[in-house]
Amino acid sequence: DQQVKQNSPSLSVQEGRISILNCDYTNSMFDYFLWYKKYPAEGPTFLISISSIKDKNEDGRFTVFLNKSAKHLSLHIVPSQPGDSAVYFCAASPSGTYKYIFGTGTRLKVLA
Amino acid sequence: AAGVIQSPRHLIKEKRETATLKCYPIPRHDTVYWYQQGPGQDPQFLISFYEKMQSDKGSIPDRFSAQQFSDYHSELNMSSLELGDSALYFCASSPKSPGAGAVLGTNEKLFFGSGTQLSVL
Repeated sequence: DQQVKQNSPSLSVQEGRISILNCDYTNSMFDYFLWYKKYPAEGPTFLISISSIKDKNEDGRFTVFLNKSAKHLSLHIVPSQPGDSAVYFCAASPSGTYKYIFGTGTRLKVLA
Repeated sequence: AAGVIQSPRHLIKEKRETATLKCYPIPRHDTVYWYQQGPGQDPQFLISFYEKMQSDKGSIPDRFSAQQFSDYHSELNMSSLELGDSALYFCASSPKSPGAGAVLGTNEKLFFGSGTQLSVL
């Protein structure tokens, strides 16, 4: 039973445009969410996080939106750059633990 | 800046052998997490330690055990290896464990190592 889902396995975006990566979760106990970027054979690299007390968090080109009622979060990257091409994972954890549950990942390809 | 260090980077073992993976967290990080990522799969939480005590447990097989030492480094011991154990094993560290009722700020971060690629032949 996949508690964190990323329904788009891949996404292609032109350089300079906006990339929107989506993530859905089923467990209402999740209250902390992360986005990671991952290159092959490397560890995930933290991008941005959001707790359930907020609905938006912004860090440079990256913005994460959280819709608790819909159990949905999204990562916006603007403007997208070729170096952003990687697999993006969202992860969620319940309150009081760092036992993150990862989504299945979305492979983003930014075309020059 | 110092990062999470994992060793070895690659490991090749045969079925039924044992393997030990090591993780050195970022200095002053007292919490360590182990994740397993199989080919084409998302990372799965295995186990975590806070202040040298097991703090949480996920889908870790009974054939695996782990511990955190006084210098906060952690080792994942894997016995009776099976072909299905072939995966990328990540260790991550954080500066503190949230604990019951803790409120996590939006700047909390979990730092991952580069992983150990285990191949069981």
